[in-house]
Amino acid sequence: NAGVTQTPKFQVLKTGQSMTLQCAQDMNHNSMYWYRQDPGMGLRLIYYSASEGTTDKGEVPNGYNVSRLNKREFSLRLESAAPSQTSVYFCASKGQGSFNSPLHFGNGTRLTVT
Amino acid sequence: KNEVEQSPQNLTAQEGEFITINCSYSVGISALHWLQQHPGGGIVSLFMLSSGKKKHGRLIATINIQEKHSSLHITASHPRDSAVYICAGPTGGGADGLTFGKGTHLIIQP
Repeated sequence: NAGVTQTPKFQVLKTGQSMTLQCAQDMNHNSMYWYRQDPGMGLRLIYYSASEGTTDKGEVPNGYNVSRLNKREFSLRLESAAPSQTSVYFCASKGQGSFNSPLHFGNGTRLTVT
Repeated sequence: KNEVEQSPQNLTAQEGEFITINCSYSVGISALHWLQQHPGGGIVSLFMLSSGKKKHGRLIATINIQEKHSSLHITASHPRDSAVYICAGPTGGGADGLTFGKGTHLIIQP
């Protein structure tokens, strides 16, 4: 049981390049999330998906797109990376019951945009 | 939108000390989460509580719904407890997801 698997662990991009962060969970969870973590700030929600086929913007969606490919997978795409997107990105999931279920996190992706 | 504040931001203590980390939030919630982020970066869920108290080993979490306040206590602290501790509550306003505090960076010295 791997939980939440996130790839890659590290990535360096040049400004304007694109990339996709992959996330998969094997816990049959409905809800999946993408967060970014920056120094001195709490985790901030980029996008979330409450169920397969649905996605919604979070607090900081600009510059990102997401795709809920199926119940297991939720990917985050940067179409044209900017230095402001240098951050640590976390994927998370939780089961039915929304607020009252624990979150399960991936190990994070450290992204640097130069 | 729920505002979540944690204190202290940084805490250094000696091994064996009793540790308290506080969390306050602005909007009534159904459940509050406590998370631990290891020095390597991984985040794990410690507690999710909606009333009273929960205990797991040397960790105790309490919540006072009326005062919109929660505390995380560590008894007989150990250097392996060194981590960032984060509280989080529902964002509110119909949005799914959580609002996170900025975290408390705890260092336990031997």
